[in-house]
Amino acid sequence: KAGVTQTPRYLIKTRGQQVTLSCSPISGHRSVSWYQQTPGQGLQFLFEYFSETQRNKGNFPGRFSGRQFSNSRSEMNVSTLELGDSALYLCASSQGQTSSGNTIYFGEGSWLTVV
Amino acid sequence: SQQGEEDPQALSIQEGENATMNCSYKTSINNLQWYRQNSGRGLVHLILIRSNEREKHSGRLRVTLDTSKKSSSLLITASRAADTASYFCATDFHSGGYQKVTFGIGTKLQVIP
Repeated sequence: KAGVTQTPRYLIKTRGQQVTLSCSPISGHRSVSWYQQTPGQGLQFLFEYFSETQRNKGNFPGRFSGRQFSNSRSEMNVSTLELGDSALYLCASSQGQTSSGNTIYFGEGSWLTVV
Repeated sequence: SQQGEEDPQALSIQEGENATMNCSYKTSINNLQWYRQNSGRGLVHLILIRSNEREKHSGRLRVTLDTSKKSSSLLITASRAADTASYFCATDFHSGGYQKVTFGIGTKLQVIP
């Protein structure tokens, strides 16, 4: 079956703009998590959605938000972009919540560059 | 600071040698997982070890877990050039009312042919 699909793969935005990234999980997976990866900070957990509800969240400002739809697809939005938001954004899905020891399957990521 | 931290941050070995990476964490965990990432790509799950397990094997991979020392190690035997990648450990822990999974900074492994 198809893996985790993220779109777009690459995008360039200007400071102050907002961006929406999309993630389609593996069929049958109900949990979707988002991570930000930068060279200096490694993988930082953003939030996790399960059955359309945010179940976990990391330590990111309110400019970072997300949602999950009834078909488990998820979007994350970053408003008022800053240069420091340039990163690889990874989406991951699992059958159950990630903290229950379920294997997490990652997408290829969306490369965001803020100029 | 990170819940899980890998050590060393970078490792360079010759093909055929064994590679050992370590992960230390701070709080009690239920599970620890190891992932691999090729440059600029998504992460790929390698192996999960539960807190009541001490050792697991998968092909050329061997993972150990020492909950008393809050540490885990990943051993790749008979390394190949294709093993060149970054390796991350992921731990789940309870914080601020949430059960979270967090990743370390990773160990960058280079296997020289």
